[in-house]
Amino acid sequence: NAGVTQTPKFQVLKTGQSMTLQCAQDMNHNSMYWYRQDPGMGLRLIYYSASEGTTDKGEVPNGYNVSRLNKREFSLRLESAAPSQTSVYFCASSGGGPQHFGDGTRLSIL
Amino acid sequence: AQSVTQPDIHITVSEGASLELRCNYSYGATPYLFWYVQSPGQGLQLLLKYFSGDTLVQGIKGFEAEFKRSQSSFNLRKPSVHWSDAAEYFCAVGGYSSASKIIFGSGTRLSIRP
Repeated sequence: NAGVTQTPKFQVLKTGQSMTLQCAQDMNHNSMYWYRQDPGMGLRLIYYSASEGTTDKGEVPNGYNVSRLNKREFSLRLESAAPSQTSVYFCASSGGGPQHFGDGTRLSIL
Repeated sequence: AQSVTQPDIHITVSEGASLELRCNYSYGATPYLFWYVQSPGQGLQLLLKYFSGDTLVQGIKGFEAEFKRSQSSFNLRKPSVHWSDAAEYFCAVGGYSSASKIIFGSGTRLSIRP
């Protein structure tokens, strides 16, 4: 079972560049989430989508945009990357209760 | 305010020794509680969850957790740790609805002494 798939796994960007992180789930879950993980800070919610067609801000939304393309896919876009956005990004999905996570995207902004 | 506190940033235990990782939460409604484990370079894997019923829940890999409402705690335990248990452990709290957000603690890193 694929579960939650994130692409790419690694990316290096220059300051000011843009990029989209992709996430897809095959569990027919309604809800999808984007987190960033930084040392000593656990996971912080960037944006989430409770159902297809809806998106809401999380704890740290500044500098990011999201699109819930359909029930399966939820993308995260950095319009103008900044060094402070260097992090590991995780996508998750939920059908109620626990969330299921992808393996993460390691993003470095130079 | 909703929050999760894991007071221990890093714990080292000897292989074969018992383990308890602490978690305290603050949540306005009936909490749905989780423990996740993250191995280096990997995503988060669900160890166990609690919403209702028996307050002692069993999870994968020999872990268990006990919900204590009076103490707002959900501590994770294992009777005898193995070297492969070295990882980072996250406690989390949320609601039951699929639209609920889950709040994560900052994590406890577990090291195993040979």
